[in-house]
Amino acid sequence: AQSVTQLGSHVSVSEGALVLLRCNYSSSVPPYLFWYVQYPNQGLQLLLKYTSAATLVKGINGFEAEFKKSETSFHLTKPSAHMSDAAEYFCAVSVQGGYQKVTFGTGTKLQVIP
Amino acid sequence: EPEVTQTPSHQVTQMGQEVILRCVPISNHLYFYWYRQILGQKVEFLVSFYNNEISEKSEIFDDQFSVERPDGSNFTLKIRSTKLEDSAMYFCASSNSGPLMRGYTFGSGTRLTVV
Repeated sequence: AQSVTQLGSHVSVSEGALVLLRCNYSSSVPPYLFWYVQYPNQGLQLLLKYTSAATLVKGINGFEAEFKKSETSFHLTKPSAHMSDAAEYFCAVSVQGGYQKVTFGTGTKLQVIP
Repeated sequence: EPEVTQTPSHQVTQMGQEVILRCVPISNHLYFYWYRQILGQKVEFLVSFYNNEISEKSEIFDDQFSVERPDGSNFTLKIRSTKLEDSAMYFCASSNSGPLMRGYTFGSGTRLTVV
């Protein structure tokens, strides 16, 4: 069975500072990995996904993530935080084949301080 | 861009009542899913549906839950006798088959409040 662990339920950064949200995965087969963002009272928006092509994945809104197999990590970064980035971020994993259920992490709430 | 549409956006029901949550998946998708997010918690998989039958379900998806694709366009989740703990945001999703999970898309959710 696959799972993800997000380190830090709350992260605060200053506007303009680097954003780093951590995610480690566990999977017995090659995983697909995702980052989703959820704004208050809204649905899930896909930021980016890794599906075994390039290990550095670029997403929307200036976010990117790097798949590191040796570290079983898929951390999300953005060079410069904007106030509009304040939201909850979910790392998620799925696997090739099967019926493609997605398993989510517990989420990290990002606060951006002006 | 194609969307997964969920209705209603918010539903309030009394404990013990039946509710049906509705979803219109993207038209050429073959796989359909329901997920649940209790307030302040993570998103949890409930069930996947393919070829007009359940392909996988979680332990949350007990006999009180059922899914149906009644007319080739809608995909519904029914809760037969709601409990207070069923209060949550319910997300529908749909996807294409294939190794890259193309088009895996979530709807904007239905917030169910059981009183």
